[in-house]
Amino acid sequence: SAVISQKPSRDICQRGTSLTIQCQVDSQVTMMFWYRQQPGQSLTLIATANQGSEATYESGFVIDKFPISRPNLTFSTLTVSNMSPEDSSIYLCSVDASNYGYTFGSGTRLTVV
Amino acid sequence: AQSVAQPEDQVNVAEGNPLTVKCTYSVSGNPYLFWYVQYPNRGLQFLLKYITGDNLVKGSYGFEAEFNKSQTSFHLKKPSALVSDSALYFCAVRDGGYNKLIFGAGTRLAVHP
Repeated sequence: SAVISQKPSRDICQRGTSLTIQCQVDSQVTMMFWYRQQPGQSLTLIATANQGSEATYESGFVIDKFPISRPNLTFSTLTVSNMSPEDSSIYLCSVDASNYGYTFGSGTRLTVV
Repeated sequence: AQSVAQPEDQVNVAEGNPLTVKCTYSVSGNPYLFWYVQYPNRGLQFLLKYITGDNLVKGSYGFEAEFNKSQTSFHLKKPSALVSDSALYFCAVRDGGYNKLIFGAGTRLAVHP
């Protein structure tokens, strides 16, 4: 299965600022997925990122708040913009590298103060 | 729409006893089902998946799951629980049209010595 390197692992940010999270995969993948896990909650899909096209956002998530880049088949970034305390969550990237072997990054624990 | 339900917020079991974590699903078409485990301050780890074939699926760390089409269930089981199995467990289903995973609410497993 694919191996994902996600960074930063955690950060504490001031409200109103932005944070960019990076995910690097050790193999080429078509789709990358970005999830949010709010405290004590399950995982909610933010968007699906395909190389060479605009990301597809789920209901309740917008590009202005969560811009995504996908410059090639092994890398993607998610930016959390104009942060507020409600954005404090764990953010995870995921890929389906082969035969429905969905792999997840180790997550970014974000605290907004 | 595809969905999974985990009816129990928490499951408590004594070490050495068998454990079951429940999951039911609702899908159109053939279900692709998954179990993941999340330890504190760590990302999601894949346990097992059902795509097709035998209804009893064996996975990592001695876990197994039984796919039951008539009851639309995919319960996670282990014959003998360990204290180290204490974690948060997620059931997920693949949304075939979009290749993304949809997660249940999660079940916290507590194994007591």
